[in-house]
Amino acid sequence: GAGVSQSPSNKVTEKGKDVELRCDPISGHTALYWYRQSLGQGLEFLIYFQGNSAPDKSGLPSDRFSAERTGGSVSTLTIQRTQQEDSAVYLCASTNGQFYEQYFGPGTRLTVT
Amino acid sequence: AQTVTQSQPEMSVQEAETVTLSCTYDTSENNYYLFWYKQPPSRQMILVIRQEAYKQQNATENRFSVNFQKAAKSFSLKISDSQLGDTAMYFCASSNFGNEKLTFGTGTRLTIIP
Repeated sequence: GAGVSQSPSNKVTEKGKDVELRCDPISGHTALYWYRQSLGQGLEFLIYFQGNSAPDKSGLPSDRFSAERTGGSVSTLTIQRTQQEDSAVYLCASTNGQFYEQYFGPGTRLTVT
Repeated sequence: AQTVTQSQPEMSVQEAETVTLSCTYDTSENNYYLFWYKQPPSRQMILVIRQEAYKQQNATENRFSVNFQKAAKSFSLKISDSQLGDTAMYFCASSNFGNEKLTFGTGTRLTIIP
């Protein structure tokens, strides 16, 4: 079956521009997670969705970061006024809750120039 | 808060040999899960093995097994009969029951030498 997909695979943007990153979870998975992987910070949690609501946004690094999920499926992570320190790989994962096993997408590599 | 520590940034081993990757963690919770994830150059994170903290028996998945020492908060991964395809970054991670977000270690880059 289809796994978690993310788009775009790579994104290069200029400092100050807004970007949107998309995640399509595995069909039927109710929970969705965003993580960021960077050289300086390692792998860090950003936000968690259960259905369309986000009970845990504690990892969002600033108010320039926001995310939404619609229809209990697709999620979009938006970064406004991008900064060079936002350069990282953004990973999305989904789960149906069984054994807490999260299935990851291939990530979006964001480069801010 | 949870923390996960991997003290081996890089390791290498000859093909067909056995290698053990170390991980320690800290949590105040009683119910939690521990994981080893593999990340090859393709960036795709792949679950290798999972351990429920309430289970005393160590998890095994084919050539992969763990040594879970709950009192010592240690969770090492043993790879037997290592293969070239095992070359990857390996991340140890934990999550608390009821709060499923993963806390990751800094990773161990494993290279299998032909």
